[in-house]
Amino acid sequence: QVQLVQSGAEVKKPGSSVKVSCKASAGTFSSYPISWVRQAPGQGLEWMGRIIPILGTVNYALKFQGRVTITADESTGTAYMELSSLRSEDTALYYCARDHHGDSRYWGQGTLVTVSS
Amino acid sequence: DIVMTQSPDSLAVSLGERATLNCRSSQSVLYSFNNKNSIAWYQQKPGQPPKLLIYWASAPFSGVPDRFSGSGSGTDFTLTISNLQAEDVAVYYCQQYYTTPYTFGQGTKLEIK
Repeated sequence: QVQLVQSGAEVKKPGSSVKVSCKASAGTFSSYPISWVRQAPGQGLEWMGRIIPILGTVNYALKFQGRVTITADESTGTAYMELSSLRSEDTALYYCARDHHGDSRYWGQGTLVTVSS
Repeated sequence: DIVMTQSPDSLAVSLGERATLNCRSSQSVLYSFNNKNSIAWYQQKPGQPPKLLIYWASAPFSGVPDRFSGSGSGTDFTLTISNLQAEDVAVYYCQQYYTTPYTFGQGTKLEIK
């Protein structure tokens, strides 16, 4: 059973950065892409980017390019998403998910990031 | 980016009846490698992460009840829920994974009539 466990909720000031982690409990972490998806309060799902750990390749949605950095540590089976220059509109639940061909089969529990002065 | 448009935005169906949810992509999402459409359907209940129901437009994910089925080709896709149960109340999203960014539809909220 694949489980993804994310780090806890964060409260950040506008202009600062946040780094969310996503640890895989089992399975071949490196072989599968990890995507990051966010959901603002009461809104839909928004794909931010993904990493294929074994290849080190990363793709970002254009909207977040320059502000988001997705990394992975194969030794610990953990993926990270760092978002910088935070603004109030970045307040959202951030999910990681393990993809197969692009379909996200296993999801983390979500990490609430609140941006407030 | 490929734009995904779902219809309707909300839907109320009686218990035991069939629900039909639609999704349209702004361009073809046919993956030539396997001749399958790169469409996934997710169910999201309040306070929970999304759950994958269908991938490759029509393949059910492991453990998904067989009342959930996906179909479609070209740019038009459908999720059908037969014999609607109370636990099926949720928001349903389609997603294309043909090319990055992997875009989602805006969601269809399914309720019981």
